[in-house]
Amino acid sequence: ETGVTQTPRHLVMGMTNKKSLKCEQHLGHNAMYWYKQSAKKPLELMFVYNFKEQTENNSVPSRFSPECPNSSHLFLHLHTLQPEDSALYLCASSRDGSYEQYFGPGTRLTVT
Amino acid sequence: LAKTTQPISMDSYEGQEVNITCSHNNIATNDYITWYQQFPSQGPRFIIQGYKTKVTNEVASLFIPADRKSSTLSLPRVSLSDTAVYYCLVGDGGGGSQGNLIFGKGTKLSVKP
Repeated sequence: ETGVTQTPRHLVMGMTNKKSLKCEQHLGHNAMYWYKQSAKKPLELMFVYNFKEQTENNSVPSRFSPECPNSSHLFLHLHTLQPEDSALYLCASSRDGSYEQYFGPGTRLTVT
Repeated sequence: LAKTTQPISMDSYEGQEVNITCSHNNIATNDYITWYQQFPSQGPRFIIQGYKTKVTNEVASLFIPADRKSSTLSLPRVSLSDTAVYYCLVGDGGGGSQGNLIFGKGTKLSVKP
């Protein structure tokens, strides 16, 4: 699926590092999302952006900081993470708030 | 958002038709029913969405009875590559909403040769 791209695909970081995940969508959508999927747990919605404005923050710890400079790009800035934050981080986009969302391939994050 | 209930797992053989039923007794008038497919270590993929009666696309069919308290995803003639987790979601996601998809545990479909 080339409509939504994510980089990097894999990331290993220590608890004191600062890193950023990048998402880009080429579908002309105006809503973008960050999800977290831990092992054997359902996908969890983290952040929602609609027209670059954050409309949802599902009680995500402040060590995760999203940034949406425009409707095509979404970042997730990471700092002082914990080992339990190791997971697959997925970006998605949609037209408005539609449930027809298109997901990227994800970033597999490992915190050591 | 309406709560959904679907089987945890299902087994099938290649070439068979697979029907996965989802219960959503508390579905609201404005709610749509949406199904996603997810392969391991990949993002979910939108399959189909419907409001009532029957919807069909090149991948699957979605059957919704008149009371809308359940829905059935039908996959015709499955192949090994259809082995995945299938999620049923219900909510006001027809556009203009927050797009807050709430994923449950889904149904793990295993297709055998």
